[in-house]
Amino acid sequence: ELKVEQNPLFLSMQEGKNYTIYCNYSTTSDRLYWYRQDPGKSLESLFVLLSNGAVKQEGRLMASLDTKARLSTLHITAAVHDLSATYFCAVRNTGNQFYFGTGTSLTVIP
Amino acid sequence: NAGVTQTPKFRILKIGQSMTLQCTQDMNHNYMYWYRQDPGMGLKLIYYSVGAGITDKGEVPNGYNVSRSTTEDFPLRLELAAPSQTSVYFCAGVTRTGGGTEAFFGQGTRLTVV
Repeated sequence: ELKVEQNPLFLSMQEGKNYTIYCNYSTTSDRLYWYRQDPGKSLESLFVLLSNGAVKQEGRLMASLDTKARLSTLHITAAVHDLSATYFCAVRNTGNQFYFGTGTSLTVIP
Repeated sequence: NAGVTQTPKFRILKIGQSMTLQCTQDMNHNYMYWYRQDPGMGLKLIYYSVGAGITDKGEVPNGYNVSRSTTEDFPLRLELAAPSQTSVYFCAGVTRTGGGTEAFFGQGTRLTVV
């Protein structure tokens, strides 16, 4: 069974600061996804990373994928309050099953 | 274009009751999934389907059943509700987009078993 681990689980950061969320997974995969979830809401797709070295950026968020290290990162630049949410990474195996990490709950403090 | 629609949004069940969580999609997804999300946790795969007439177990299938008689509908059935099934349930469909294959989620069903 594919295991997906995120860290940290909880992150409290001040506005304007930078930080990185890490996502490690246990078996070979070149399909890595990042989602955002606001409290009481569904999951919103942020990034789809499909190959080694893939990097995607949207606003203050940048995601990257290293398939050799089985590691993806979500980097937050100059955090703002609107980024407060829970962020999940997910890996898709060859059977087209998505496995999710436990999530990183991000709180941005003014 | 509604995407993935789940009903109901909320439900309270008594122990031993049964119910069906409905999931309908209008994006022609072949692949569909049911997940549960416990408080403060990630999503666990219950069942999935790669097309009409084909279903398979995920990580946590016990206590649930699914069917996929059409491409559009993928209902999840709880036969004998237990408190351990209190959770938020998400249905998802997978489709190809410009950025690759993506999963799109319904709004969720919050189920409480008392």
